[in-house]
Amino acid sequence: EIVLTQSPATLSLSPGEKATLSCRASQSISNYLAWYQQKPGQAPRLLIYDTSNRATGIPARFSGSGSGTDFTLTISSLEPEDFAVYYCQQRSNWPHTFGGGTKVEIK
Amino acid sequence: QVQLVQSGAEVKKPGASVKVSCKTSGYTFTSYGIGWVRQAPGQGLEWMGWISTYNGNTNHAQNLQGRVTMTTDTSTRTAYMELRSLRSDDTAVYYCARLGSYYDHWGQGTLVTVSS
Repeated sequence: EIVLTQSPATLSLSPGEKATLSCRASQSISNYLAWYQQKPGQAPRLLIYDTSNRATGIPARFSGSGSGTDFTLTISSLEPEDFAVYYCQQRSNWPHTFGGGTKVEIK
Repeated sequence: QVQLVQSGAEVKKPGASVKVSCKTSGYTFTSYGIGWVRQAPGQGLEWMGWISTYNGNTNHAQNLQGRVTMTTDTSTRTAYMELRSLRSDDTAVYYCARLGSYYDHWGQGTLVTVSS
């Protein structure tokens, strides 16, 4: 099973600041990585797929990069609605594992 | 628009079974798989498994083997997830999600509480 490790666990930032979230895979997953956003009481929402492609309706301030085992989600300038938990997920191999999540909280 | 609507909250005793439904609309049902993901209180997302709505093929998480069954009814565009021999650590919100390449549309979640 591919293990995804996200860091940091919590990121404390102010609105307008840049957020950089990391996801590391235990073995190469090529570019088969997605990022999801989850707010309290809501289902996750797909943000980024295949490492760097924004899903429908996702603002351009969200971007993804990486390949192989190291991946990054960047939020260029945090809006109030971006404070949430972010998960990475791989589809390279079954099972489709998720990372443990990074909480982006207001500083 | 694409919608996945799940059945309501359940309370079960240890050892019982639960069956959660996921009714879909707004797209061609057999063109996308359905995945199941759960989230224990205050915890992260745990992938449970996937079913092909085209041919019924499945793939489950190893730790659920033997306890989980995923099925679909193409006539009603509905997917089902049954979990047996429930334990207290199965208490979680259970989500269904449409799988194209990734899980791009999600149900609202079903809270399953296992308590004596």
